[in-house]
Parts: sequence; C-alpha cells; structure tokens
Amino acid sequence: EADIYQTPRYLVIGTGKKITLECSQTMGHDKMYWYQQDPGMELHLIHYSYGVNSTEKGDLSSESTVSRIRTEHFPLTLESARPSHTSQYLCASSSQEGSEAFFGQGTRLTVV
Amino acid sequence: QQQVKQSPQSLIVQKGGISIINCAYENTAFDYFPWYQQFPGKGPALLIAIRPDVSEKKEGRFTISFNKSAKQFSLHIMDSQPGDSATYFCAASSPQGAQKLVFGQGTRLTINP
Repeated sequence: EADIYQTPRYLVIGTGKKITLECSQTMGHDKMYWYQQDPGMELHLIHYSYGVNSTEKGDLSSESTVSRIRTEHFPLTLESARPSHTSQYLCASSSQEGSEAFFGQGTRLTVV
Repeated sequence: QQQVKQSPQSLIVQKGGISIINCAYENTAFDYFPWYQQFPGKGPALLIAIRPDVSEKKEGRFTISFNKSAKQFSLHIMDSQPGDSATYFCAASSPQGAQKLVFGQGTRLTINP
C-alpha cells in the first residue's frame, strides 16, 4: 500500500471560502502531482512538482494554486471556492527513477 | 485533444470470462503505458505496465498486449472475477512530456457472478 495521504477525505464548503487540501507522502518521492477527476470520468492533471520550490501548471487549467516547501508535502489551495470547483482531487507521487505513480485516496470537494 | 482514447466506456462480463479493454494513442514519443485500477472511493492503483520494447506482458490473470505500429494497447483479464469489478484507466507518458501521465477516459467493468 502506497504511503501517500490526503486530508480531508470529504469536504463540503460554502461559496467564497478559502480551502486547502493536504497531501503528504513518506516515500521520499521528488515528483508530486494533483489530478482532478469528476465521478467516473478521466483524470486531468492540474499541477505538478519535480521537487522543493518547483511547481508547474498541468494540462487542465485550474484556479487552484500549489506550493512545495518540503519534499513530503504538496498542498493545494483554492482562495475562493465556487460550485464549479466541485470534484474529486487526487494527489500522486513518483520517484525520479521510476514512472509508477502512487495515488492517495482523494478528497471529494463539494462547494455549495 | 484527447491523446489517449479508451474503449469501451462500460463493459459487463460473466464470471470466468475474458475482459478486454482497448486504448489507442497518438503521441509516438510515449514510452510507458500503465493500466490503473480504481475502486469506488479509492485512488487509482497501478495494475500492470508495459514499455514499447515488448509486445506483451503478463502478470497473473492480467495481460497487456502492445501494438506499436498501430499505436494501440489493450488489457486482458482472464478468468474475470466479481472482485475485478472496478474502473480501469489506461495511461501513457513520455520523457518529452516530463513523464506526466495522460489518462484515457476509463472503463467501468462489471463482472456478473
């Protein structure tokens, strides 16, 4: 079982609130990713990082931001949540040498 | 632009049968092709993966068949079991794409007992 953790698992929040989704991994992986997935649909990359102080936007445009101050931690922030942000957010990590990505269990976000 | 196209969208197979899911890709720079399995409420987990230097890879009941000239690869699940019921995603990545995974649309597989 992969050692990558996301909190919270579920979040229901009102429009306009600021939220931070947490992601931590204990595998020492340099690469970390955030994917957005609507129920039963494909995964879209929204952010990735290749190491500390490295962050890049993914293929799907997102109003969220990320930071990578520590290797093991890759939080995602929405400054002002909107109903259109309702989705599942999946965090993943991989080593520099390998290609396998390990996923967390996801955070299911509902903005009302 | 959908770089990895997956079919079918849903599949129902009887217990003991063979489940087959297909993917096609466009980017010839892709050099890593994994299949992920996702159960409801869980994150995807790597099932099996292949690189283009081989045409087939087998791990237990799961086999990837790879056709480089056709730019297609498929997942075969032999002796399908109810516990295999899940959503399956194919994916691909390339060094030029910084090894970011591009996912197919997913296939919801149901194995009837």
